[in-house]
Amino acid sequence: GENVEQHPSTLSVQEGDSAVIKCTYSDSASNYFPWYKQELGKRPQLIIDIRSNVGEKKDQRIAVTLNKTAKHFSLHITETQPEDSAVYFCAASIPNSNYQLIWGAGTKLIIKP
Amino acid sequence: EAQVTQNPRYLITVTGKKLTVTCSQNMNHEYMSWYRQDPGLGLRQIYYSMNVEVTDKGDVPEGYKVSRKEKRNFPLILESPSPNQTSLYFCASKALPNYEQYFGPGTRLTVT
Repeated sequence: GENVEQHPSTLSVQEGDSAVIKCTYSDSASNYFPWYKQELGKRPQLIIDIRSNVGEKKDQRIAVTLNKTAKHFSLHITETQPEDSAVYFCAASIPNSNYQLIWGAGTKLIIKP
Repeated sequence: EAQVTQNPRYLITVTGKKLTVTCSQNMNHEYMSWYRQDPGLGLRQIYYSMNVEVTDKGDVPEGYKVSRKEKRNFPLILESPSPNQTSLYFCASKALPNYEQYFGPGTRLTVT
């Protein structure tokens, strides 16, 4: 079945630097890839997503890239700020599953002042 | 305000004492789901429901029950809780045919 691996599990970057989190998926038929952000003590919230007919999507300081051939997608955060500190989850759609998602294990992003 | 609500937010209980965590959404979403979140394991789906009276097992359904008698409510039932069910639980809902899920605030359950 579909599997999603997320790396790294923890990422510490200096404020102002860029952060990159990567996910790989196993089913080439997956066509939707969201990223959720979960701040400490809060609920996960969608921050950006990408569909398989697009290679890159940007929203201000965050971007997601998708490599369908290699079956991996990445979250890029530029000019990191303290409020970017959170746990980030990637997910991939499960084909023919009534819009179900399979989730990565999460990456704890720490922004050092 | 469009939202998903859960109650209680925190619960400490003892092994074997039946409990119910309620979940309600006011967005008329067809799809609702329960997840548990444990350190290093991410979000694991317990059960989901595509509509009223339609429920299916997720990845970790053992020890849990759900029901969907009304569109807005999707309670999670632990008939005989055990310490390995100590976790953070999230309810979520979404409108079909969409992928974006809206999560509730979470319920932190401790079973001693």
